[in-house]
Order: sequence, then structure tokens, then C-alpha cells
Amino acid sequence: DVKVTQSSRYLVKRTGEKVFLECVQDMDHENMFWYRQDPGLGLRLIYFSYDVKMKEKGDIPEGYSVSREKKERFSLILESASTNQTSMYLCASSFGTGLYNEQFFGPGTRLTVL
Amino acid sequence: AQSVTQPDIHITVSEGASLELRCNYSYGATPYLFWYVQSPGQGLQLLLKYFSGDTLVQGIKGFEAEFKRSQSSFNLRKPSVHWSDAAEYFCAVGPSGGYNKLIFGAGTRLAVHP
Repeated sequence: DVKVTQSSRYLVKRTGEKVFLECVQDMDHENMFWYRQDPGLGLRLIYFSYDVKMKEKGDIPEGYSVSREKKERFSLILESASTNQTSMYLCASSFGTGLYNEQFFGPGTRLTVL
Repeated sequence: AQSVTQPDIHITVSEGASLELRCNYSYGATPYLFWYVQSPGQGLQLLLKYFSGDTLVQGIKGFEAEFKRSQSSFNLRKPSVHWSDAAEYFCAVGPSGGYNKLIFGAGTRLAVHP
């Protein structure tokens, strides 16, 4: 089974802190994604990566950056956390070639910024 | 613009009753369509997907969905709901801009009464 893991289920940080959210997948997927999930808004794409060291902005990249130094790991970075970044963060991965492939999701990290 | 609309934010059904969750999409070409389920505190799990062929697709947990091109809809159905089906359900369409990106609806939260 495909497994996508996220480093923390719950995280509490203070305004202005630098925050790292880690995601690891074990299926050699090319594509990895970071979403934030807010009530009534569904999932919104923050960043995605289609290869090591490659990244593209999603729909709401402001205030975030990402890093992908190894194929299996995709990190989301909040350079200076703010209260409006309190949210559920979901990581996903998928194969990048062949027929359109489903995305596999991690369990999520609920981040609270005080 | 590409978009997904789930008209019902909240639905409550009795256990054993039938269920239909609505999904409408706006997409310029033939879409790939997905339904995901998110149980409380969990990540998203794929229920079913439509790429081509038979417009009635079967998924896991007894769910099915029907693609209707003329109505731009992909409604999810289950003939008899179980208490364990209480969760949030997301419809998604893709690809959006390549790399297997998806556009998600805002979600429908299902409550099941005993």
C-alpha cells in the first residue's frame, strides 16, 4: 500500500516563528503536493513538485515556501507564521507518467498559530 | 474557469436510508473525476474515479457515481447508509494545468442518525 506520512498530527506555534512541515512518501512518486484545508473552502493547493528540486506555485503560495531535496520528501515552510495560517495541512503524492493518476494523501497536520 | 461545486454543505440521513451527494463541475475538456472521503481526523481516501468508458463507476464501501456529461455532474450514491459513512466527502476534477493537479469542491459533511 502507498503510504504518505506527515511529521506531526498537531502543531502549535507562535506568530513569527519559522515552521517546517515534513511529508514523506514510500512509493517513488514523482509528484508531491501541499494543500491547506479550511471549512467551507475545501482543499486549496499551496505548492507542488514534479521532480527533485523542482517546484511550482499553486493557488495560494503567499507566505509559504517548499523544499524537495530527495524524491520521497517534500517540506512546507512557513517563513514567519501568522495567525491566518492556522489550518489543516495535507500532503499528497502521485505518479507523474502514464494515465492520469490519483493522489494519495497523508493524515494531515493541524497547525495552530497563536 | 475550471471549478467544482458541491451544493450541499451539510446532509443528514438516517442509517439504512439511501444517499446522493451532488457534484457539478465546469471544465473545458473531458474531465477526470474523483470522489474522496475524509473520516474525522484523517487524510483523504479515494472512493472512486472516472476516466472514460462506462459512465456508472463502482467504488469502495458500496459507493457508486454516475458521470452525466450533459449535466456536468458526477453525483455519488449509496443505496443504504451505515453509521460509519459519517464523514466529509470531496469531489475533484482534473487534470488542471498538468502534473495531475486537481480542483476540489468545498466538501459535503454527512451526518448519519441511528
